[in-house]
Amino acid sequence: GQNIDQPTEMTATEGAIVQINCTYQTSGFNGLFWYQQHAGEAPTFLSYNVLDGLEEKGRFSSFLSRSKGYSYLLLKELQMKDSASYLCAPRGAAGNKLTFGGGTRVLVKP
Amino acid sequence: DAGITQSPRHKVTETGTPVTLRCHQTENHRYMYWYRQDPGHGLRLIHYSYGVKDTDKGEVSDGYSVSRSKTEDFLLTLESATSSQTSVYFCAISEFQGRSSYNEQFFGPGTRLTVL
Repeated sequence: GQNIDQPTEMTATEGAIVQINCTYQTSGFNGLFWYQQHAGEAPTFLSYNVLDGLEEKGRFSSFLSRSKGYSYLLLKELQMKDSASYLCAPRGAAGNKLTFGGGTRVLVKP
Repeated sequence: DAGITQSPRHKVTETGTPVTLRCHQTENHRYMYWYRQDPGHGLRLIHYSYGVKDTDKGEVSDGYSVSRSKTEDFLLTLESATSSQTSVYFCAISEFQGRSSYNEQFFGPGTRLTVL
């Protein structure tokens, strides 16, 4: 079975850094995705990790440890527009199916 | 943005009526998916398709059926809608998974369905 755990909500100040952790247990593994979802909108792709280590994309970075079943998304220099839900989604070994965590709602305050 | 549309965008229906949601893509992607999103549950896969007339069940498929007669269209049908199927439904598409590429899923704008 699949089990993905991430915090429900986090609050941070504009300009600060926030780290969203995700632990997962999946039957087979072929990469992990992070999506951003603003309220009332569709999820949009943020990052992808398939090998251990850190992937950096501008203000956003994502880390993966396959042996620990652990990933995090790091948001730097927070802006008000970063207020959104962030979804962790490992991909199984077969097909192209993702299993989504419940999402972490990040609230950025001035 | 990937060319994905969903129709209708909003629908209110009554318990026991049939409902069909349509997902249309212009990207010629092989995979198509239907998810539902509910507070406290995140996105859950209902059904997916890996080609024309090739479909399979997801984790919450009971009460739903799908059809894909053309690459660009993926239909989700609720044969007899129930109040527990009130939700936001998202369609997604992705390309064939290669071992060295992202093949991320792109999402449609969603359909808000209310079953009274």
